[in-house]
Amino acid sequence: GQSLEQPSEVTAVEGAIVQINCTYQTSGFYGLSWYQQHDGGAPTFLSYNGLDGLEETGRFSSFLSRSDSYGYLLLQELQMKDSASYFCASNNAGNMLTFGGGTRLMVKP
Amino acid sequence: SQTIHQWPATLVQPVGSPLSLECTVEGTSNPNLYWYRQAAGRGLQLLFYSVGIGQISSEVPQNLSASRPQDRQFILSSKKLLLSDSGFYLCAWSALTISREGYTFGSGTRLTVV
Repeated sequence: GQSLEQPSEVTAVEGAIVQINCTYQTSGFYGLSWYQQHDGGAPTFLSYNGLDGLEETGRFSSFLSRSDSYGYLLLQELQMKDSASYFCASNNAGNMLTFGGGTRLMVKP
Repeated sequence: SQTIHQWPATLVQPVGSPLSLECTVEGTSNPNLYWYRQAAGRGLQLLFYSVGIGQISSEVPQNLSASRPQDRQFILSSKKLLLSDSGFYLCAWSALTISREGYTFGSGTRLTVV
């Protein structure tokens, strides 16, 4: 089966750096994606790691280590608007996604 | 540019009533289409996906069904809703192959079965 584990909640203060970890056990793994979802809204795509290493997009970076079946999303210079749920998802054959349970990030002033 | 439309935004339906949720995509051809369900505070559960007209794959046995009558139209249906069908339903599209653009989700339908 496919499973992805991530912490259920993370709290950080404005301006800080936070890392959301994700471990996975999936078959036919192609890469790891990250999505952001604000309360009541739809998930939006943040990043995709098809290769090991770090991908940077502005304040957000994502990392993948295939040998460790592990990845993380790094958010820098946290802002209040970053308060949301963040989902890691494994990309499998046929561009199928399996989502983790999500991490609720609360940014405090 | 590609856009995805999903409606209605909210729906309150009695147990045993039928359901029809519609999703349409614009600006792309032959997309992969998906229906997900999300319980409050939980992850996304894949219900159905489609790689082409009339081609539907079901991931979870349930009293829901899906159809794809046109290339860019995906419909989620039920003949008789159950209380457990309540949730946030999301339609999404993606390219046929893995891309760096990910999935694009519709705005969702919040269904409450009473």
